[in-house]
Amino acid sequence: GQQLNQSPQSMFIQEGEDVSMNCTSSSIFNTWLWYKQEPGEGPVLLIALYKAGELTSNGRLTAQFGITRKDSFLNISASIPSDVGIYFCAGQQVSGAGSYQLTFGKGTKLSVIP
Amino acid sequence: GAVVSQHPSWVICKSGTSVKIECRSLDFQATTMFWYRQFPKQSLMLMATSNEGSKATYEQGVEKDKFLINHASLTLSTLTVTSAHPEDSSFYICSASTGLSQPQHFGDGTRLSIL
Repeated sequence: GQQLNQSPQSMFIQEGEDVSMNCTSSSIFNTWLWYKQEPGEGPVLLIALYKAGELTSNGRLTAQFGITRKDSFLNISASIPSDVGIYFCAGQQVSGAGSYQLTFGKGTKLSVIP
Repeated sequence: GAVVSQHPSWVICKSGTSVKIECRSLDFQATTMFWYRQFPKQSLMLMATSNEGSKATYEQGVEKDKFLINHASLTLSTLTVTSAHPEDSSFYICSASTGLSQPQHFGDGTRLSIL
């Protein structure tokens, strides 16, 4: 099956620092998505990217869809304690059955030290 | 917009019982919903794609008779874990999208514990 390589696996940073994480794949995706998941909850959509090369921001978050359509990165600027959580990248493709399915990365666990 | 509600959020039951989990799209219609399973400290694994008015499409290795999916309306899909056993204990999450190529929005998940 397809795999997304997400790194780093975990990060411990000081409040106020910037954060960067990325995902790479051997497959091409139509859409790249970034989600955040907190304990005991479902993932929450942060940013959706639809075009190769697209750079999109959502507040302190910025994400880019790689030119090759096989990678994406997420940056968080000036981190705050509530940024703590697990961040997942996901690539979206049309499945054989015609529906759009997601392939998830393994997640980046972010810890922010006040 | 794009709110997905999942119920119950937490269930504990004895081995051998069946458990039904509901997934509702509250403010949009979803022709397709998805069911995932997540083990502690791991990523989400797609179990099946739920199609309104037709049979679900299961991923390889997922038992159809074990995990029954019904998508009777454009706003409701249900997952029934039949004759549940301790190894079925997990976090089950559903998702839906507002359109064919639109991002999936997730419910808050159901923590299932089988004693």
